[in-house]
Amino acid sequence: GAVVSQHPSWVICKSGTSVKIECRSLDFQATTMFWYRQFPKQSLMLMATSNEGSKATYEQGVEKDKFLINHASLTLSTLTVTSAHPEDSSFYICSASTRGGEETQYFGPGTRLLVL
Amino acid sequence: DQQVKQNSPSLSVQEGRISILNCDYTNSMFDYFLWYKKYPAEGPTFLISISSIKDKNEDGRFTVFLNKSAKHLSLHIVPSQPGDSAVYFCAAMEGGSTLGRLYFGRGTQLTVWP
Repeated sequence: GAVVSQHPSWVICKSGTSVKIECRSLDFQATTMFWYRQFPKQSLMLMATSNEGSKATYEQGVEKDKFLINHASLTLSTLTVTSAHPEDSSFYICSASTRGGEETQYFGPGTRLLVL
Repeated sequence: DQQVKQNSPSLSVQEGRISILNCDYTNSMFDYFLWYKKYPAEGPTFLISISSIKDKNEDGRFTVFLNKSAKHLSLHIVPSQPGDSAVYFCAAMEGGSTLGRLYFGRGTQLTVWP
């Protein structure tokens, strides 16, 4: 149980285009979903926290107009990277929690974004 | 299928004693292993890592041991402090330390009591 999927797993796009990444909790309802960006040496930067039905809370330094997050249902959150640039190339990982992140988080497999 | 497993969801240790968090993996292609620490309402922060060419890596109070034959790693915290109370995630990846997919365990909640 407690499986989180991400789609797509791998995406290549041209600079200036937008990319949408989906995060789904497959067998549980996720009241809270988190989006992370993975950096070299595997540090994870929390980008934003989204609660179902409400606006996402962005971490300091993360542009909310560039990284659009929608958590429309208890099983789906989306991250849209708008006007992507090569420096946005990275792994984007989502995780889901059932109770505001106080319990353990279930991590998705990540989406590798390459912007040309 | 869970390729990284943390079979103990919780661990309670008295301050000053050793905390041992365990992690098992199934994929023999994993060659880089990491531990993350997570406080409530925060994202996981990187704690310590180990490459498969080593069997031990130490950083202050934190030591990670790797037993490749058993596909097992453990994180030792000595001495444990109340501030160490957090959820600890074990993670693994292929391809060394380059940017690649992380496979996470489900986490172990460590509670260090005075």
